[in-house]
Amino acid sequence: EAGVAQSPRYKIIEKRQSVAFWCNPISGHATLYWYQQILGQGPKLLIQFQNNGVVDDSQLPKDRFSAERLKGVDSTLKIQPAKLEDSAVYLCASSSFGRDRQGYTFGSGTRLTVV
Amino acid sequence: SQQGEEDPQALSIQEGENATMNCSYKTSINNLQWYRQNSGRGLVHLILIRSNEREKHSGRLRVTLDTSKKSSSLLITASRAADTASYFCATDGTGFQKLVFGTGTRLLVSP
Repeated sequence: EAGVAQSPRYKIIEKRQSVAFWCNPISGHATLYWYQQILGQGPKLLIQFQNNGVVDDSQLPKDRFSAERLKGVDSTLKIQPAKLEDSAVYLCASSSFGRDRQGYTFGSGTRLTVV
Repeated sequence: SQQGEEDPQALSIQEGENATMNCSYKTSINNLQWYRQNSGRGLVHLILIRSNEREKHSGRLRVTLDTSKKSSSLLITASRAADTASYFCATDGTGFQKLVFGTGTRLLVSP
């Protein structure tokens, strides 16, 4: 079974520029998550999709961050404009939705540096 | 926001020793999971314990869960240098399926 794919692996941008990250979840996983992990901290959930609908985006800074999941498969997370404090690793995860509540799989992440 | 607090924040031991990490959380859970993260890499799922379970084993890992105290512990026995990593607990609440992570414990195992 292929894992969760993310790209790019690394990105360096200047503040006020825009950036986009891409995620391809495990085939058949209905739920997709984007997490932000600042150095030295645990991952923080930014947004959660169930198929192509948003379930939770309460911690997404909506003035600069946006995310979409077209056709309930791939997802993109965008930051525009970026700030220095957005430097972090952005992790995508997917899970199978069901009574078992298992099957969370994380991608390798995109490391963003804003200078 | 973080659901859990982990203790200690950092732990340094010698190879062969046991490592114990604790996690406390705030709300009711469906299950609690432990993950490992090597520096700069993705998260690796280690073990999941359900709210109706009290103890679970997987190889050198032993996890306990006390829902009355809203706490869990992860024990790594006979540690190896390769166990050096950050360890996170994550809770899956009783509502819609999602993981909320703790603050993590950085484990250093010296040869």
